[in-house]
Amino acid sequence: NAGVTQTPKFQVLKTGQSMTLQCAQDMNHNSMYWYRQDPGMGLRLIYYSASEGTTDKGEVPNGYNVSRLNKREFSLRLESAAPSQTSVYFCASRGQGMTEQYFGPGTRLTVT
Amino acid sequence: AQSVTQLDSQVPVFEEAPVELRCNYSSSVSVYLFWYVQYPNQGLQLLLKYLSGSTLVKGINGFEAEFNKSQTSFHLRKPSVHISDTAEYFCAIRGSTLGRLYFGRGTQLTVWP
Repeated sequence: NAGVTQTPKFQVLKTGQSMTLQCAQDMNHNSMYWYRQDPGMGLRLIYYSASEGTTDKGEVPNGYNVSRLNKREFSLRLESAAPSQTSVYFCASRGQGMTEQYFGPGTRLTVT
Repeated sequence: AQSVTQLDSQVPVFEEAPVELRCNYSSSVSVYLFWYVQYPNQGLQLLLKYLSGSTLVKGINGFEAEFNKSQTSFHLRKPSVHISDTAEYFCAIRGSTLGRLYFGRGTQLTVWP
């Protein structure tokens, strides 16, 4: 039982490049979330998915897209990376009827 | 709307001293509150949570927190810290929409020998 896994762990992009961050959970959770963490800002919600086939915007969705591929996987895509998207990205999941979220180890992204 | 405010961005303490990390919240609905810990270069791990019932909540690693409705606070405490407690601590409140969490800005706890 790996919990929540994220790939890659580290990534460096040039401005304008695109990439997809992958997230998978093996806990049969319905809800999944993408956050970004910036120094002094805590974690801010980018997008979330209450169930397979549904996605909703969080606090800071601009510049990102998501796909809930199936119940296990929830990917985050940067179509045209900008230096302002340099951050640590965390994926989380939550089971039906549960109150807490479970977090992955994070992806550290640098955009130059 | 829900929000949390962590009152200290950094808290330095010596080993074996007590520590309190402060968190105030704002909410117009029922309150679910959480403390998460993030060790260097790792993800977030749940320390403890308050859902209802007893206002004193015990968590992992000897931490506890007290829910105070009149002061809208949920402060985290440990009577004697270890160097291994050095980490960033986040207070969070659960929103009314689909379980989303609203996080505070974090408190960096540094324990010195």
